[in-house]
Amino acid sequence: AQKVTQAQTEISVVEKEDVTLDCVYETRDTTYYLFWYKQPPSGELVFLIRRNSFDEQNEISGRYSWNFQKSTSSFNFTITASQVVDSAVYFCALILTGNQFYFGTGTSLTVIP
Amino acid sequence: EAGVAQSPRYKIIEKRQSVAFWCNPISGHATLYWYQQILGQGPKLLIQFQNNGVVDDSQLPKDRFSAERLKGVDSTLKIQPAKLEDSAVYLCASSQDRVGGYTFGSGTRLTVV
Repeated sequence: AQKVTQAQTEISVVEKEDVTLDCVYETRDTTYYLFWYKQPPSGELVFLIRRNSFDEQNEISGRYSWNFQKSTSSFNFTITASQVVDSAVYFCALILTGNQFYFGTGTSLTVIP
Repeated sequence: EAGVAQSPRYKIIEKRQSVAFWCNPISGHATLYWYQQILGQGPKLLIQFQNNGVVDDSQLPKDRFSAERLKGVDSTLKIQPAKLEDSAVYLCASSQDRVGGYTFGSGTRLTVV
């Protein structure tokens, strides 16, 4: 069975602190994609990153970075020097070649000014 | 490029009433999805269209939910009759290729009272 676990339900950090959001996934498929989405209070899902199962290179985009480790089935997301605008719910998701998304339950991040 | 358009943005109805949601995907995107997101949970796929054909509707409660995508462009999702547990945000998404980066709409927040 496919599953995505985001063990952190809520996280609060003070502005400018670094924060890491954890994501652990389960699948027996060898080909899959992992995503991170941001959902601000307005409700839309904002795409952040897509990574396929054959590409374990870590990625950095501005203050955002992602650490993909197949050995531990993890795809963690780090925000460096957090800002108030980063406050949102963040979802990790798994998609298989059949194209159905499996979302985690989300991590609600609050950045305190 | 224009995003995925959804309407209405909000809807409040009484239980046992009917409701319909509309989605206009990004031009040229062959694949369209409807997701249900209950408060505090990740989105759950209801139905997936490839052009105007249904690819996956295994999680659609077909006794009360229906969806169509005429001419492979716009789509409507209908609930008839609505139940209290249908209160959720209904998200439409589209993608260009089968495992592409989805684009989500802003969603329709349904409250059933």
